[in-house]
Amino acid sequence: QSVLTQPPSVSGAPGQRVTISCTGSSSNIGAGYDVHWYQQLPGTAPKLLISGNSNRPSGVPDRFSGSKSGTSASLAITGLQAEDEADYYCQSYDSSLSGSVFGGGTKLTVL
Amino acid sequence: QVTLKESGPALVKPTQTLTLTCTFSGFSLSTSGMRVSWIRQPPGKALEWLARIDWDDDKFYSTSLKTRLTISKDTSKNQVVLTMTNMDPVDTATYYCARSGQGTLGMDVWGQGTTVTVSS
Repeated sequence: QSVLTQPPSVSGAPGQRVTISCTGSSSNIGAGYDVHWYQQLPGTAPKLLISGNSNRPSGVPDRFSGSKSGTSASLAITGLQAEDEADYYCQSYDSSLSGSVFGGGTKLTVL
Repeated sequence: QVTLKESGPALVKPTQTLTLTCTFSGFSLSTSGMRVSWIRQPPGKALEWLARIDWDDDKFYSTSLKTRLTISKDTSKNQVVLTMTNMDPVDTATYYCARSGQGTLGMDVWGQGTTVTVSS
């Protein structure tokens, strides 16, 4: 059971918009700690997609965006492309655990 | 260019101690704000954060694995070492090291990962 809760799977057709939620608690997201998002393509290492809740590292398309409110955060992907099919993970810091925590991951399927 | 690479045994026996090394380049772990974490991923499962060491030698461990983990750094060699004692088949996973830059715990550069199988 992950400290951060994500839906196991989401799907969308090419060109559509999908969102992936990441629900935490008062000891992590709700405490104001940043949320970071990663994309993991099959057989590869995770790649930082969104840093500090909503910042895109250089090279990440602006189709990807992040937001945070209260004890939750969301990753939105617009204009879905086949290459977006991957696993997505959120990460934050938890003060009660004194360490980083990941969500359980969400598998995005592009129909 | 920042790079990290994990190395260690591909196969360990139950009860043995695993030692993994993360060798990095393109940054110094003596620079204020730099951090290196270890993360693992069992086959088909989610990422799990294990431990982190900071530029000032502060160390942080997963609560559930704290008694089994030790993280250390050798700044002169640009290496971070993770040891995990009493290995069990459930510890079979790909182990990654990753860097966090100044002012963030987001991991902006990851190694390729090294796969460790625990089996007799």
